[in-house]
Parts: sequence; structure tokens; C-alpha cells
Amino acid sequence: GDSVTQMEGPVTLSEEAFLTINCTYTATGYPSLFWYVQYPGEGLQLLLKATKADDKGSNKGFEATYRKETTSFHLEKGSVQVSDSAVYFCALSPYNFNKFYFGSGTKLNVKP
Amino acid sequence: DTAVSQTPKYLVTQMGNDKSIKCEQNLGHDTMYWYKQDSKKFLKIMFSYNNKELIINETVPNRFSPKSPDKAHLNLHINSLELGDSAVYFCASSSREYAMGGYTFGSGTRLTVV
Repeated sequence: GDSVTQMEGPVTLSEEAFLTINCTYTATGYPSLFWYVQYPGEGLQLLLKATKADDKGSNKGFEATYRKETTSFHLEKGSVQVSDSAVYFCALSPYNFNKFYFGSGTKLNVKP
Repeated sequence: DTAVSQTPKYLVTQMGNDKSIKCEQNLGHDTMYWYKQDSKKFLKIMFSYNNKELIINETVPNRFSPKSPDKAHLNLHINSLELGDSAVYFCASSSREYAMGGYTFGSGTRLTVV
């Protein structure tokens, strides 16, 4: 069945460091891929998305490219800030958009 | 205006009680969901309704009963609460037609059963 696997956390970085959070997926057909962010005490917010192969989603300095050949959608940011500290979820929506499959979440801690 | 609102935000109750969580969305979406997030942040879908019709019912104890009076509301009623029900419950909505826009989540209801 469809599933999402993302790297375990927590990930601890210093401010201005480069961030990569790995995400790979298993799906039939052509899913859409998403990254959500959950700040402490809040709900999940859509960070970025990509709906077809080779699409790049970007928002707030974060980027992820939909790689069909490696079934990956890794999240990157060139220079993290303390305010980026949150839990990041990779998610997949099958072609029929019936429901989302979420990864287990990766907690990011950014230290000043 | 809050797009997806849940009430209450916090709920502390004793084992064996019955409680309800309410969810409303003002986005005009036709599909609504309930997710459970455990202490390790893992998100698990519980139910999904499209235009008041139940379309997803994952393996959830039948003590949990969703109710959708109209497509803007999806409530969750829980009978005979157990300690293991303690979690954060998230409501979400999406438009089936524009589902590639993703879900919009509520801010969650933290349920603590003592």
C-alpha cells in the first residue's frame, strides 16, 4: 500500500546551518506530495507541495523536488532560523485524493 | 476568520465518561477528516466524510462515533473514555475537486483522560 518514510529526529542545528530532511514514498499511480509544519501547540500548516514528477515546491526558503526515479521528496533550506524549530511532516495524497498518508514527523531544533 | 475551528482546545475528563469534540470549517470544502496524533507525533486517520457521507472509517473502536450534520461540520463523540484515548485530535478539511491544495487543519483538541 501507499506509505511515506521520513528520517527520524530530532534534528538539531545551529542557526544559519543547511537543513535536509529526507522523505521517501511508496505509491501506485502518480501521487501528490506535501510537506506540512507543526509549530508547538498548533495544528499542521501546509508548507509546500508538488503534484507531478520534477516539480519543485517552495515556500519561506524551504524547497523540495518531486523525484520519481528515487521516489523521494526531501525538504531543504539553505539557512535555518530559530523560528523554524517545529515538527515537519512529509505527506502523500494518492491520485484519487481519497486520503493523505503522513510520515512519522521529524522534529527540528534550531539553536542560536 | 478561523478556517477550521475545533472546540474545545483542551479537554480533561475521567475514565468512563462520554465526551464530544466539535469541528467547523468555513472554507466551502466538501470533505472533512478526524486524525489522532499520539505522544510521538504520529498521525493516524480515523474518519473521513464527503458531503455528509462516511467514506473512510479506519480501524477505530466503535466507542468513537463521528457525526456530520452538514458538510461544514464534523463532530466526534467518544463513549466510555479510556486512558489510551489521551491524544491530540485534529480535524481537517479539503476540497475533493481541488484536493491537490492539501488539507487545512484545525489547531487540535488535546484530550487527557485521567
